[in-house]
Amino acid sequence: DQQVKQNSPSLSVQEGRISILNCDYTNSMFDYFLWYKKYPAEGPTFLISISSIKDKNEDGRFTVFLNKSAKHLSLHIVPSQPGDSAVYFCAASADAGGTSYGKLTFGQGTILTVHP
Amino acid sequence: EAGVTQFPSHSVIEKGQTVTLRCDPISGHDNLYWYRRVMGKEIKFLLHFVKESKQDESGMPNNRFLAERTGGTYSTLKVQPAELEDSGVYFCASSQRGWLNIQYFGAGTRLSVL
Repeated sequence: DQQVKQNSPSLSVQEGRISILNCDYTNSMFDYFLWYKKYPAEGPTFLISISSIKDKNEDGRFTVFLNKSAKHLSLHIVPSQPGDSAVYFCAASADAGGTSYGKLTFGQGTILTVHP
Repeated sequence: EAGVTQFPSHSVIEKGQTVTLRCDPISGHDNLYWYRRVMGKEIKFLLHFVKESKQDESGMPNNRFLAERTGGTYSTLKVQPAELEDSGVYFCASSQRGWLNIQYFGAGTRLSVL
C-alpha cells in the first residue's frame, strides 16, 4: 500500500529552466511534508518542508506547493542548475498522538537530470 | 558539527551470518530512526527511538532484526541470521525533540547478503 507516490521515475530539464517534481499522497492524516535530495552513495539531504496549515513555502530557488484537497504537492526549482541533478524524494509525516510521531513515509523518488 | 555517522559503509556477508550496523546521531538529538531502501525502491521506515526507548517499531520486518540504543546515544541494528532479502541500504536519521522536526540522514550502510 503505497501511501506516498511519485509517478514520474525521471525528469530531464535544460539548465536555467524550471523543474517541477510531483508527489501524491493518500493518507489524510499526513500533515507535514518534506522534500529530500539524494546523490549516489550519500544519504538523503533535507531540502524544504511544508506543514498542512500552509499552501506554499519558498526557500531560494526551491518552492513547495501543497494542495490538500487534491492530496498533491509539488517542488519547483527555478532556475535549474546541473548541480541539482539527483534523486528527489517526497516524504510525509502524520501528527503525533499515536506511535507514528516523526515517522516519515517516502515516495519512490524521481531522478532529475539538468542538462547544461 | 558532525552529522549522522554510520558504520560500516558497506558489508558483504553470507546468508545465515550475523551483521551489526551502527549509527551515531547528531549530538543532542533525542530522536533516532532506522530506514531501509531495497533495490532502488522507496525508503521504508523500520523503527524510531526517543532517547533509549523504542517509540515505534512497526516497520521492523521480523524478529531477525534487533535494534538497541544504549544510553540514548548511538544505536545498533543487528540482523541475525541474515537472509538474501535483507540486502539493501540501511539509513539512520536523527532529529531534535519536538514536532515538525527535520530528520537528518547518514550516508547509509549498504548490506549485501550472498
